[in-house]
This record gives sequence, C-alpha cells and structure tokens, in this order.
Amino acid sequence: DTGVSQNPRHKITKRGQNVTFRCDPISEHNRLYWYRQTLGQGPEFLTYFQNEAQLEKSRLLSDRFSAERPKGSFSTLEIQRTEQGDSAMYLCASSPTGVGANVLTFGAGSRLTVL
Amino acid sequence: AQSVTQPDIHITVSEGASLELRCNYSYGATPYLFWYVQSPGQGLQLLLKYFSGDTLVQGIKGFEAEFKRSQSSFNLRKPSVHWSDAAEYFCAVGAGISGATNKLIFGTGTLLAVQP
Repeated sequence: DTGVSQNPRHKITKRGQNVTFRCDPISEHNRLYWYRQTLGQGPEFLTYFQNEAQLEKSRLLSDRFSAERPKGSFSTLEIQRTEQGDSAMYLCASSPTGVGANVLTFGAGSRLTVL
Repeated sequence: AQSVTQPDIHITVSEGASLELRCNYSYGATPYLFWYVQSPGQGLQLLLKYFSGDTLVQGIKGFEAEFKRSQSSFNLRKPSVHWSDAAEYFCAVGAGISGATNKLIFGTGTLLAVQP
C-alpha cells in the first residue's frame, strides 16, 4: 500500500478561479477526512466521510467548498471562486472503522496559493 | 469544548540533549491523545498515541510521552535529540470511538530546531 495520496501537491491560481484537489486513501480505510492547515497553525478539521456519506462538515467549510466521495474510494475537494484567504495546505487523512478508527494516516497535502 | 494548547511555539536544543515538548488538553471525557511530526512540506506522521492503560507510551524514533490526567498534560520527550528530529510537532486530542466522528483537534504546533 502506498499510503494516502494527494494531487496535485501544489496549485497556484488566481483569485476567482475554481480548484479541485483529489485524495486517494488507503484502500481498506472507509473513513476519509479533510483538514486545512494555514501557516503557523495546526490542522483544522473541515469534513469527514464514512464510505460515500459525508457525515460532518465544519463551519470552516463555506458554501464555496464542496467535498465528494462518490464511490466511497477517492475524494475530491473543490473550492469555487477562490479567495486569498483560501491559501493553505489541504490535508487528507484516512482511517479504518473499529479499533483503529482514531488513528488517522495523513497524506503529504496539497498546497494552494491564491494570487 | 475540546482544545489543545502547546505553549512553546519554537524550541532550540543542541544535538544529543534531552527534549520535552509540552501539551495541555481540555476534554470532558477520557481523551485519546496523539503526537504527530511534520517535516517541511510534508504531511503528518504519527509518533505515538495514548488511548488507555499505561500512562507512559512509547513511540517511533525514540520518542515517549506521559499522560498525566491531574495536569491535563501529554508531554513528549526524547532523551537524546538527533539533527533529523528538527521538524514541527503537533499534539492532538480525538473524540472517543463510540459513534463519534473521530476528528482530531490539533494544537498550534512546536517548531523544533536542533543545533549541532
């Protein structure tokens, strides 16, 4: 298993453009999480899926943000009409259910820069 | 509400010296506690975790942490720091397994620099 994979690793975009990030979790993990990390801060929870169901969304996730996990495997995080404040590292993590559910494995992240 | 405080934003130690990174948490029930390490431009790697049982937990890379309920602390220690330990360290608290989302609440991190 190659772990949690995120693409692209870096994205530079102009304000107002849409961007999409993809996350491929560890194959046997049915839970998938998105976090955002800004400079000098710890990661902040955005949203969480169990299989294809989005079970929780943070208030940080404004209407411009949408996350999907259509087949319960990979997930996408789309940001519409990007703003400079969206510049951050977007981290994806996955975990199994049951005993290991609280042990999240993180990907390397997708860094977004909005000009 | 759950929260995690890492009082030290930046710490510098000499190679070979001992290290202790502080973490205090606020959580109503028995916490699940974690330490993660992040190298520049990389994701987070789990160093160790505490769920229950022995309050002194061992992790990877020679790290250990001690859970002290009376002090609401989960400090990370290493007896002898190596230059490769330079990174940012995050403490986190998670909700319980039973029906919770298992999302983690992270502290703001401690950036560790290692002097030769």
